[in-house]
Amino acid sequence: EDQVTQSPEALRLQEGESSSLNCSYTVSGLRGLFWYRQDPGKGPEFLFTLYSAGEEKEKERLKATLTKKESFLHITAPKPEDSATYLCAVQAYNNNDMRFGAGTRLTVKP
Amino acid sequence: ETGVTQTPRHLVMGMTNKKSLKCEQHLGHNAMYWYKQSAKKPLELMFVYNFKEQTENNSVPSRFSPECPNSSHLFLHLHTLQPEDSALYLCASSQGDRGPVEPLHFGNGTRLTVT
Repeated sequence: EDQVTQSPEALRLQEGESSSLNCSYTVSGLRGLFWYRQDPGKGPEFLFTLYSAGEEKEKERLKATLTKKESFLHITAPKPEDSATYLCAVQAYNNNDMRFGAGTRLTVKP
Repeated sequence: ETGVTQTPRHLVMGMTNKKSLKCEQHLGHNAMYWYKQSAKKPLELMFVYNFKEQTENNSVPSRFSPECPNSSHLFLHLHTLQPEDSALYLCASSQGDRGPVEPLHFGNGTRLTVT
């Protein structure tokens, strides 16, 4: 069965303190791995799609990387506005479901 | 209006009530989804409609009944719910599974409280 595990569950950083969020996955035939950002009271907002091991994508202070077993979301010099819950999801070739992890709740203090 | 719109934003209902959640997407997508989000749990897929046909029903209790009259509108009819059904219900859309894998676009959800 496809599984997605995100760690840590919660992360508190000082402004400017770089760190990484982890998404470990088990899937039979990865079609795509997705990162979303969710702010309180809102729906998830799409950030990145990664399709194959070795792929990297960047957007402002965020960079997502992918290996055959996990993905990292690197946050460089975060700002308070980066505070949110970050969700990882995988989609396999053999089904239409997008399997989500439980998320990492990031808090960046000024 | 653009994106995915859900109404109402908040709903409080008793266990014997009947209510409906509404979702509308203005993105020209062909697939629409209902997800349930409970605290500290992964999003749970409930239903998928692709080109107006239901393609997924993940063992959801019959007290939840979806309806998709066209590719732009999706409803979730609720009746005789239980307190454990209290959660954030998210609607999403995508192009559909007839093309490359692509992300979901979510609405802001309906916060449901069952008393």
